[in-house]
Amino acid sequence: DAGVIQSPRHEVTEMGQEVTLRCKPISGHDYLFWYRQTMMRGLELLIYFNNNVPIDDSGMPEDRFSAKMPNASFSTLKIQPSEPRDSAVYFCASTNRRAGGNYEQYFGPGTRLTVT
Amino acid sequence: AQSVTQLDSHVSVSEGTPVLLRCNYSSSYSPSLFWYVQHPNKGLQLLLKYTSAATLVKGINGFEAEFKKSETSFHLTKPSAHMSDAAEYFCVVSGGGGYNKLIFGAGTRLAVHP
Repeated sequence: DAGVIQSPRHEVTEMGQEVTLRCKPISGHDYLFWYRQTMMRGLELLIYFNNNVPIDDSGMPEDRFSAKMPNASFSTLKIQPSEPRDSAVYFCASTNRRAGGNYEQYFGPGTRLTVT
Repeated sequence: AQSVTQLDSHVSVSEGTPVLLRCNYSSSYSPSLFWYVQHPNKGLQLLLKYTSAATLVKGINGFEAEFKKSETSFHLTKPSAHMSDAAEYFCVVSGGGGYNKLIFGAGTRLAVHP
C-alpha cells in the first residue's frame, strides 16, 4: 500500500491567494482527518470525515478554511484568502474503524505551507 | 473528557543509555493510547499502541511502554538509545465515546548525543 498521499509537499504563496491541499487516504479507510502543526500550537485537528461526510469541523479556525471529500479516495483542504498566520504543516490521516480498529491513524508526509 | 500531558518538553541522553519519555493521561473511558514519532521534516509514524490487552506494549525500534491505570501513566522507554532515535515523540489518547478523534500531547523532543 502506498500509504496516505498528500500534495503538494511544499507550497509557497502570497497573502490573499487561494491555496488547495490534497489528500488521498489509504484504500478502504472510512475516516479521514486534517491536522495543522505549528510550533506555537502543536498538532491541531481541523476536521474529520466518516464515509465522505464531515463529522466534526469545530477545529476549523475560520470561514476562510473549507474542506471537502467528494469521494472515498480524495479530499481537499482549501484556504481562501490565505494569510501569513496560516503558515504551518498540514497533515492528512486516515483510519478504518470498520475493521474493528482501535483508532490508530496513518499519517501522510504533510504539506508545508508558507504564506508570505 | 480526554487529555494527555507529556511531562518533559525536551530530553537529552547519550547514545547507549536508557530513554524514558513520560506521559500521563486523563480519560473517562477505557482509553486507547499511542506513541507516535516524528523525525525532522517527516510525517508521524506509529511506534506502539495500547488497546486494553497486555499492559506492557512492545513497539518498533526497541521501544516499549507500560500502561499503569493506577498512575494514569503510559511512559515510553528504550534500554539503549541510538543516534537515529533523535526525533519528536507524541503521546496520544483516543477520543473514546465512539469517536475516532486523537488527542495529542505537546510532544517531547529527544536529543541523542554521541
